[in-house]
Amino acid sequence: DGGITQSPKYLFRKEGQNVTLSCEQNLNHDAMYWYRQDPGQGLRLIYYSQIVNDFQKGDIAEGYSVSREKKESFPLTVTSAQKNPTAFYLCASSIDRGLGPQHFGDGTRLSIL
Amino acid sequence: RKEVEQDPGPFNVPEGATVAFNCTYSNSASQSFFWYRQDCRKEPKLLMSVYSSGNEDGRFTAQLNRASQYISLLIRDSKLSDSATYLCVVNPPRAQKLVFGQGTRLTINP
Repeated sequence: DGGITQSPKYLFRKEGQNVTLSCEQNLNHDAMYWYRQDPGQGLRLIYYSQIVNDFQKGDIAEGYSVSREKKESFPLTVTSAQKNPTAFYLCASSIDRGLGPQHFGDGTRLSIL
Repeated sequence: RKEVEQDPGPFNVPEGATVAFNCTYSNSASQSFFWYRQDCRKEPKLLMSVYSSGNEDGRFTAQLNRASQYISLLIRDSKLSDSATYLCVVNPPRAQKLVFGQGTRLTINP
């Protein structure tokens, strides 16, 4: 079945450590997105990519980095510079570059050890 | 002013009731509008797109009012399974991204 796969489902980070969240899609979508959601809050855009080898900062990009070397993959690295990384991270993709609906993976919960 | 604003609720309504909530958006040239549903600790899922003429999907009706810059969602004959957070989503002009509202939390009581 086509869809978006995020891994791992749960992740724990130690102080000073970088961690990478995986996002893979087999929907042949051009656009991919990373969001952060804190408890009781809405989604905030971290980074997005409309095409391979290109990406743009969202509203809260500081402390995060991404790459888009393949159409189907858009990994997010949470660096040690992100001082409050505990959150629910959601990856999404859309066939339409921004205009159409987005489809989400089932998320990664990141916590600090 | 936020790009997309929703009443966070919570809305508590009895099973079988009709419930409606609105969402306002700040940019009058926004092009695409959606309602998503998010269950507790789950990912958002597309509920329905919102078209200028309004659209209906079973018990759910979505409407767009461009003059007043709001979209609405009406749920008729509410079920216990409708309990969730409903996210209003807008595509601002010239932006290759969507903007999500904070969400409206709905609880249907037996």
